[in-house]
Amino acid sequence: QVQLVESGGGVVQAGRSLRLSCAGSGFTFSTYGMHWVRQAPGEGLEWVALIWLDGNNIYYADSVKGRFTISRDNSRNTLYLQINSLRAEDTAVYYCARAGSSSGDYYHYMDVWGKGTTVTVSS
Amino acid sequence: DIQMTQSPSAMSASVGDRVTITCRASQGISNYLAWFQQKPGKVPKRLIYAASSLQSGVPSRFSGSGSGTEFTLTISSLQPEDFATYYCLQHNSYPHTFGPGTKVDIK
Repeated sequence: QVQLVESGGGVVQAGRSLRLSCAGSGFTFSTYGMHWVRQAPGEGLEWVALIWLDGNNIYYADSVKGRFTISRDNSRNTLYLQINSLRAEDTAVYYCARAGSSSGDYYHYMDVWGKGTTVTVSS
Repeated sequence: DIQMTQSPSAMSASVGDRVTITCRASQGISNYLAWFQQKPGKVPKRLIYAASSLQSGVPSRFSGSGSGTEFTLTISSLQPEDFATYYCLQHNSYPHTFGPGTKVDIK
């Protein structure tokens, strides 16, 4: 079945870096865009970033631009999120979610989510 | 950036009630809107896409409507398993933005 599995979270000191991964299976990973979404404790959902099929079209939330880097390895069916200069406000559950095969592909847009990986930034 | 607002932010309702949640965009987004349900400690689940299309497997008591800047999610007869927080998402432009959420709890 279609599945996304995140990994790489943990407790990290402020100022350090972390790389999250999201492994896709059960679908042709290279034909879908992929999102990262995060949720701070007790807060709502925040869209973080999107990477389209070949990795050449990338978009970020203003709040993470310059510190976060989204990337993908289609040969490994894996999505990544590099987080640098971690801050307390980056503490959250990070989810990956499938986008469509194009921006007009409503049918698949965020239809599948992983269970999330938790990042806790300590001081 | 497009701002999304939701009303109400929270509500108490009874089983069997008709519930309507409104989502407004700060500028027109056509029908690039989705609705999600999230229960405590669980992964968000998509209910509606393209503003009014029902996700496969989602009960027909859920419906969505609207276009442009104003959208609604309606639950025609609230069931015990529907007590949750509901979010709208605009994906018309970047950055995408979620609404702040509407928490539906038991009266």
